[in-house]
Amino acid sequence: DAGVTQSPTHLIKTRGQHVTLRCSPISGHKSVSWYQQVLGQGPQFIFQYYEKEERGRGNFPDRFSARQFPNYSSELNVNALLLGDSALYLCASSLVPTNQETQYFGPGTRLLVL
Amino acid sequence: QKEVEQNSGPLSVPEGAIASLNCTYSDRGSQSFFWYRQYSGKSPELIMFIYSNGDKEDGRFTAQLNKASQYVSLLIRDSQPSDSATYLCAVIGYGGSQGNLIFGKGTKLSVKP
Repeated sequence: DAGVTQSPTHLIKTRGQHVTLRCSPISGHKSVSWYQQVLGQGPQFIFQYYEKEERGRGNFPDRFSARQFPNYSSELNVNALLLGDSALYLCASSLVPTNQETQYFGPGTRLLVL
Repeated sequence: QKEVEQNSGPLSVPEGAIASLNCTYSDRGSQSFFWYRQYSGKSPELIMFIYSNGDKEDGRFTAQLNKASQYVSLLIRDSQPSDSATYLCAVIGYGGSQGNLIFGKGTKLSVKP
């Protein structure tokens, strides 16, 4: 079975632009979470979606938004890009968003903002 | 602010030795604990999860949890050069946003042949 897939793998943008990152969860998984990982740090939680509803939001500005589609895939949108948005963006999927559910990560999208 | 603390390392061990990785967490209500391995330039890969106090073994890996001390560790026996990576400790808290992982900064492990 295919794991979590993400696209694109790499992206270069300039300040002020916007970006859309995409994620397809493992087949059968209904929950998708997004994380940001800057160099030298652990991943930081951005959003969690389940059944197309936002279930959680981390401490990120409103420039960050996301949605989940009926097929459980998800998009993360970032507007008005800043240099500090340069990071590895990770998508993780799980069957359901419970406290004991394991999350499996995709390969990530590496975003560079110039 | 819920926090997860790890020694950033690098931790260097010779091949065949036991590597011990440690993690503490601040939220006493944390219920689930995960260890992920991350190779340079790659995404995190799940190694183990543990929910109950005590030890949990899976092959060369043993996770240990002590909720009273708010401490979780990962032991890697017979360490191999291929184990060289950054090891991320993550917890899921109680209440708030269920299911979101809170990560430490990771411990970089280097296994020398």
